[in-house]
Amino acid sequence: NAGVTQTPKFRVLKTGQSMTLLCAQDMNHEYMYWYRQDPGMGLRLIHYSVGEGTTAKGEVPDGYNVSRLKKQNFLLGLESAAPSQTSVYFCASSSGQGAWEQYFGPGTRLTVT
Amino acid sequence: KNQVEQSPQSLIILEGKNCTLQCNYTVSPFSNLRWYKQDTGRGPVSLTIMTFSENTKSNGRYTATLDADTKQSSLHITASQLSDSASYICVVSPGGSQGNLIFGKGTKLSVKP
Repeated sequence: NAGVTQTPKFRVLKTGQSMTLLCAQDMNHEYMYWYRQDPGMGLRLIHYSVGEGTTAKGEVPDGYNVSRLKKQNFLLGLESAAPSQTSVYFCASSSGQGAWEQYFGPGTRLTVT
Repeated sequence: KNQVEQSPQSLIILEGKNCTLQCNYTVSPFSNLRWYKQDTGRGPVSLTIMTFSENTKSNGRYTATLDADTKQSSLHITASQLSDSASYICVVSPGGSQGNLIFGKGTKLSVKP
């Protein structure tokens, strides 16, 4: 079991460029999440999905879009990158809500210049 | 406003010593409280999850306590090892939420030989 994987691990973008971050999980989890982690701040939820074909906004959704076409994959898109989106992005998945464990991926370090 | 505050911000201890990290929260309603360990450059890994009715839970040398009345939690690390050097994040799940965990900023622990 690979658990939760993320690609790419690192990326540098110029302002205005677009990119897609891919998250994959092999645990058959229904729920998937995208977070960002910035220095001096706790992780913040960008978007999440409670099942294939569904997505919902989290705390900081502006500037991002997501898609969950397959249960095992959750894509995070940046249509026009801005320096404020420089961050480390983590994907997570869980079997359910409440006290269910969230399993995190290794992260993607994105720099926007 | 839902908040999770952790103290201290950082801590240096000698290998073999014990330490206790603190977490205070103002999250309501409350579902559960989690402690995560995050090694540098890696994703968070769960240590414990405690629901309202649990006031202590152990995972090896890690013991978490929860006082739901005072809205405080602590993480006690016994006989620290160099591999315990990491950030420890307190996370609270509000009741009824599907994804919006509230993350603390973490305590950065350094264990020195």
